[in-house]
Amino acid sequence: DIQMTQSPSSLSASVGDRVTITCRASQGVRNDLGWFQQKPGKAPKRLIYAASSLQSGVPSRFSGSGSGTEFTLTISSLQPEDFATYYCLQRNSYPVTFGGGTKVEI
Amino acid sequence: EVQLVESGGGLVQPGGSLRLSCAASGFTFSDHYMDWVRQAPGKGLEWVGRARNKANSHTTEYATSVKGRFTISRDDSKNSLYLQMNSLKTEDTAVYYCARVDSNFYFDYWGQGTLVTVSS
Repeated sequence: DIQMTQSPSSLSASVGDRVTITCRASQGVRNDLGWFQQKPGKAPKRLIYAASSLQSGVPSRFSGSGSGTEFTLTISSLQPEDFATYYCLQRNSYPVTFGGGTKVEI
Repeated sequence: EVQLVESGGGLVQPGGSLRLSCAASGFTFSDHYMDWVRQAPGKGLEWVGRARNKANSHTTEYATSVKGRFTISRDDSKNSLYLQMNSLKTEDTAVYYCARVDSNFYFDYWGQGTLVTVSS
């Protein structure tokens, strides 16, 4: 199974901060990577797919980059509604695997 | 409007069985792969498995942790996805979500989840 390692597991930030979350794959996944946001008690919401493609309706302050084994999710200017947990996911090979999550707190 | 509604969760003893259902509406169900994803209390997301669409003969894939114990099936005539869970363990306790897979092979819609608790 491909292991997806996210870092950090949590971070504290302020409104307006630039935030970067990293996801590393134990083997290459090309650009077959997505990012999801989850708020407490809610289902996850897709932000990014194919490593850097922004999901329709998602604010442009979210961006993704990377290929192969290292990927980043960047929030250019953190907004109050962005405090949540973020997960990466690889769909390059079965089984599909998620990263452990990064909790973004105030 | 795409809707996914899970049902069938509840309390079950270790070693027991449970069948979850996911009722889909608002899209052509038979065209899409459908997945189950779970989340243990206070933990991260874990992919459970996939049922491919009609064009791909409804074939299935599973996570290593559930292979041989869980079975995913679907009934396109009823727009429904199922998860048969056997030989349940305490570590299977989680909220189980069904999710639609889009043409890019990523989840685009999720249900609200159903809680499965495995405990004696």
